[in-house]
Amino acid sequence: AQKVTQAQTEISVVEKEDVTLDCVYETRDTTYYLFWYKQPPSGELVFLIRRNSFDEQNEISGRYSWNFQKSTSSFNFTITASQVVDSAVYFCALSEAAGNTPLVFGKGTRLSVIA
Amino acid sequence: EPEVTQTPSHQVTQMGQEVILRCVPISNHLYFYWYRQILGQKVEFLVSFYNNEISEKSEIFDDQFSVERPDGSNFTLKIRSTKLEDSAMYFCASSPGQLFGDNQPQHFGDGTRLSIL
Repeated sequence: AQKVTQAQTEISVVEKEDVTLDCVYETRDTTYYLFWYKQPPSGELVFLIRRNSFDEQNEISGRYSWNFQKSTSSFNFTITASQVVDSAVYFCALSEAAGNTPLVFGKGTRLSVIA
Repeated sequence: EPEVTQTPSHQVTQMGQEVILRCVPISNHLYFYWYRQILGQKVEFLVSFYNNEISEKSEIFDDQFSVERPDGSNFTLKIRSTKLEDSAMYFCASSPGQLFGDNQPQHFGDGTRLSIL
């Protein structure tokens, strides 16, 4: 069975600090996808990134970066120089690679960035 | 950029009543999904739909739930006899399927907040 664990329930940082959101996953599949979604206070789910299990390269997109480590089954998300607009709940998710299978979400981490 | 649209944004219904939540997936997408998020909790999969039939469903998706694609654009979730515990945010999602052998991400609508009184 697949499982995603986001151990940090809530994180609070001061603006301009860097913050890392942890995600640990469990799966028996050899190929799979990992995702991060952002849920701002308005409630919608915003897709941030998808990573194929074959691709362990870290990715950077502006202030966002992701560190995928298969050896520790982790897919951590770092926000550099955080801003108030980054305040949201962030969800890590996992799906099988075969077919268009459902996403299994973690419980989310609520990030509060204080000005 | 095309997006998944859901209506209504908020639905208030009396317990025991039927409710239909509507979604218009992105036009060239082939796979459709419903997820549920009870307030303050994680997002949970309900059902996926492909080629006019359910391809997968979770334990949550029991006999009170049904999905339909009544025409070429809409995708609906019906809850037959609502219960208090059905109060949640319901998200519709769609994906194009595989592109060059690579599964594409699901794109979510803004959700419908369902409140059962």
